[in-house]
Amino acid sequence: QVQLVQSGAEVKKPGASVKVSCKASGYTFTGYYMHWVRQAPGQGLEWVGWIDPNSGGTNYARKFKGRVTMTRDTSISTAYMELNSLGSDDTAVFYCVRTYFDTIGPLGFDYWGQGTLVTVSS
Amino acid sequence: DIVMTQSPLSLPVIPGEPASISCSSSQSLLHINGYNFLDWYLQKPGQSPQLLIYLASNRASGVPDRFSGSGSGTEFTLRISRVEAEDVGIYYCMQTLQGITFGPGTKVEIK
Repeated sequence: QVQLVQSGAEVKKPGASVKVSCKASGYTFTGYYMHWVRQAPGQGLEWVGWIDPNSGGTNYARKFKGRVTMTRDTSISTAYMELNSLGSDDTAVFYCVRTYFDTIGPLGFDYWGQGTLVTVSS
Repeated sequence: DIVMTQSPLSLPVIPGEPASISCSSSQSLLHINGYNFLDWYLQKPGQSPQLLIYLASNRASGVPDRFSGSGSGTEFTLRISRVEAEDVGIYYCMQTLQGITFGPGTKVEIK
C-alpha cells in the first residue's frame, strides 16, 4: 500500500534551518511528483512547492523562493524539504503529498504524509 | 496569483440532509484541454487532508458517491447528498492551473 512517512517533529531557533524527509513506499517513487504543503496552527493550507523525483526539477511558490530547497534520493525513495532563515511565523505542520500528472492534468493530491511539526522558538 | 474564496466559511449540517459548499476563483480554471483544474479536500479533525474530487468533478478512489463536484470557469460547488456524522471537518478547494492555491476552508459541523 502507498505510504509517505515523514521525519519527526523539530524545534528550531529563529534564523536556523530545518530539513524534513518523506520516505515513499508502495509505488514507483519516480512516477509521481512530490509536493510540500504547510499548515500553521489553526490555519489553512499553503502550497510550498514540488519536486519531480524523476528529473530532480523543482518549482517553488513565490513566497518561499530563495528560502526553500527540495531534493530527493531515488535510491531510498525519499524526498526532502529544507527551509532556511526560519522565523516564528514558520511554525507549522509540513506535509509531503504526491500527485500524478496525467495527459489531462494533475489528478489531485491523493496520498499525504502524516505531517511534521516544525516549531520555531527562541 | 489566483485567489480562491469559499462560502460559507462555517456550515452547520443535519445528518441525512444535503449540504453544499461554493468555491470561486479570481481567474478561470478552465484549461485549453477542457478540464477545470480544481480539486476538493476534506481535513478531518486531527488528520491529514484527503482528496475528494479532482479536476472539478471526478471522485477520487474510495470516496463515497454522496460526494459530487460541479462547476466550470470560476464557480464550483461541492455537494454532499446526505451528510453523515463522519463528514465533519474542514473542506478546502484548491486550484492547480497556475501554481497552487487553496481556498480558506469551510468548517462543517453537526448542528
